[in-house]
Amino acid sequence: DTQLTQSPSSLSASVGDGVTITCRASQAVGIDVGWYQQRPGKGPKRLIYAVSDLHDGVPSRFTGSGSGTEFTLTINGLQPEDFATYYCLQSNTFPITFGGGTRVDIK
Amino acid sequence: EVQVVESGGGLVQPGGSLRLSCTASGLIFGRWSINWVRQVPGNRPEWVSHITESGTSKYYADSVKGRFTISRDNSKNLVFLQMNNLRDEDTGIYYCAITGYWGQGTPVTVSS
Repeated sequence: DTQLTQSPSSLSASVGDGVTITCRASQAVGIDVGWYQQRPGKGPKRLIYAVSDLHDGVPSRFTGSGSGTEFTLTINGLQPEDFATYYCLQSNTFPITFGGGTRVDIK
Repeated sequence: EVQVVESGGGLVQPGGSLRLSCTASGLIFGRWSINWVRQVPGNRPEWVSHITESGTSKYYADSVKGRFTISRDNSKNLVFLQMNNLRDEDTGIYYCAITGYWGQGTPVTVSS
């Protein structure tokens, strides 16, 4: 199975800050990497697919990048609605796996 | 607007069965493969099963293989997850995911 390790597991930031979350895969996953946002009590919502493509309606302050086994999600200019937990996902091989999550809190 | 709606969850005793359903609107259902994903609140999501567009190929997590069966009816925009021989560890919120769109989930509780 492909293991995904996210870092940091949590971070505190202020509205307007930029933050970067990293996801490292235990083996190459091609471009089959996505990022999801989950707010408390809600289901996950896709932000990014295929490493860097924005899902429908997702603001451009969210950016995905990376290759091989290391991928990043960057949020430029945090907004109040961005305080949530973020997960990376790989769908290159079954079983599809998720990272452990990064919780973004208000400083 | 794409909407995904899951149903069929509930409380069941260990060893029991449930059949989850998922429907979607706002997209051409038969063009997309579909996944079921579950999550215990506070934990990362866990992939459960995948079915290809035509339903020809199906994949399962090792933890559910032999107990769960995924199927779909493209004429009715429906996908199903038949869950048999349920265990305590199958408890969670079950989500249907179609091309990046997820529903709000349906809760499954396995408990005596």
